[in-house]
Amino acid sequence: DTAVSQTPKYLVTQMGNDKSIKCEQNLGHDTMYWYKQDSKKFLKIMFSYNNKELIINETVPNRFSPKSPDKAHLNLHINSLELGDSAVYFCASSQGGVAFFGQGTRLTVV
Amino acid sequence: AQSVTQLDSHVSVSEGTPVLLRCNYSSSYSPSLFWYVQHPNKGLQLLLKYTSAATLVKGINGFEAEFKKSETSFHLTKPSAHMSDAAEYFCVVDNYGQNFVFGPGTRLSVLP
Repeated sequence: DTAVSQTPKYLVTQMGNDKSIKCEQNLGHDTMYWYKQDSKKFLKIMFSYNNKELIINETVPNRFSPKSPDKAHLNLHINSLELGDSAVYFCASSQGGVAFFGQGTRLTVV
Repeated sequence: AQSVTQLDSHVSVSEGTPVLLRCNYSSSYSPSLFWYVQHPNKGLQLLLKYTSAATLVKGINGFEAEFKKSETSFHLTKPSAHMSDAAEYFCVVDNYGQNFVFGPGTRLSVLP
C-alpha cells in the first residue's frame, strides 16, 4: 500500500477555477506538509500541519488553503487559479524526523 | 534559518565511474540531513539520512554520504554509476523540526 497518496496525479484546469488536491497518509504520522515544485525543480514549503496546528508560509497567497479533516488527511484547496500556480505539488508526512513524500500532482493552469 | 547549497546544478558522469554530488548546509546547530532522489516525472524517494549518529551514512542503491561538521558538508557519493541513477538529487536539511528545507537540486546524467 502506498504510504502517502495524492489525487489526482494530473490536473489541467482553466484560470479562475477552484480546485482541490487530496492527500492521505497511512503511516500514522502526526505531521503533514504541502510543498510546491516550480518549473526549475525548486521545492518550497507551503504549509505544515501538526496536531491541528497550522504553520503557514507567509509567501503563499491566501487563495491556497489547507484543510485537514483528520490526522491522516491534508487536502489543498486553491481558489481563483492563476497561470503562475502551474507546478507540481507534493504532499508529505513525517514523524521521528524523516519525511515521506507522495508522488506529486502536476497542476497545469491554462 | 536553515539553508542548503548544492554546488553543481548538473553533473555528468560515464557509466561505471564514481559519482560525487556536493552539498553544504548552514545551520546554527547540528542538524538532520537527507538526500532525496527524483526520477523523471516521479515522486521523491529517500536515499539516506544523517541524524547525529555515524558520520558516514549508507543509503539505498549503493549511495553513501559523509557528514563533515568542520566543512558543513554532506556530499553524496557512489563508487560506480549506473544508467538508472540518472535523476534529480536533492540535499535536504531539517528546519528546527518544523519542516524540511530543500537545496536547489543537482541533475545527474549518466553517459553510456
